Amino acid sequence: SQTIHQWPATLVQPVGSPLSLECTVEGTSNPNLYWYRQAAGRGLQLLFYSVGIGQISSEVPQNLSASRPQDRQFILSSKKLLLSDSGFYLCAWSPRLASTDTQYFGPGTRLTVL
Amino acid sequence: SQQGEEDPQALSIQEGENATMNCSYKTSINNLQWYRQNSGRGLVHLILIRSNEREKHSGRLRVTLDTSKKSSSLLITASRAADTASYFCATDDNAGNMLTFGGGTRLMVKP
Repeated sequence: SQTIHQWPATLVQPVGSPLSLECTVEGTSNPNLYWYRQAAGRGLQLLFYSVGIGQISSEVPQNLSASRPQDRQFILSSKKLLLSDSGFYLCAWSPRLASTDTQYFGPGTRLTVL
Repeated sequence: SQQGEEDPQALSIQEGENATMNCSYKTSINNLQWYRQNSGRGLVHLILIRSNEREKHSGRLRVTLDTSKKSSSLLITASRAADTASYFCATDDNAGNMLTFGGGTRLMVKP
């Protein structure tokens, strides 16, 4: 069966510090991968998605970037965090890039920027 | 921009009662999905309804879709305390590839 992992689970970082969040998927090949951010009590905002190694699409301009160095690894990064980067970051995967596919979510990373 | 908007934003009911959550969207869709999120956790897919379907059931869940009104509803019958969670609708974009999630309804079921 497929599983999706995210780490760390929680992170507290000072403003201006770098960020690296990791997401890995097991039990499937060539998944479509997604990074979402969720503000407290709000819906999900799609940040990036990837259909394959090295292929990243950005949905929202910001100081975050994403990379996919391996088929089942998706990384979210920042060189300098802002206060507004605080939130709950969710990674998800789907078999295809199609809205009829279920998206499977990881447990999330709670990021607090102070 | 947000396609789906849930209503109400928060709902509190007693165990055993039915819970109804609504989702409205702006542009035509190919399908609509409902997800559940327990506090501090990832989302879990509940059900998908296609634009040519009007109603779908899964256990205690009933989803309806009215494309003429651009709205969907999620009904949870005989609610349980374990149903306490946030519920989100997600609609597809014009190309039918990506999902756009609404702001969610926070449901609290009191024992």
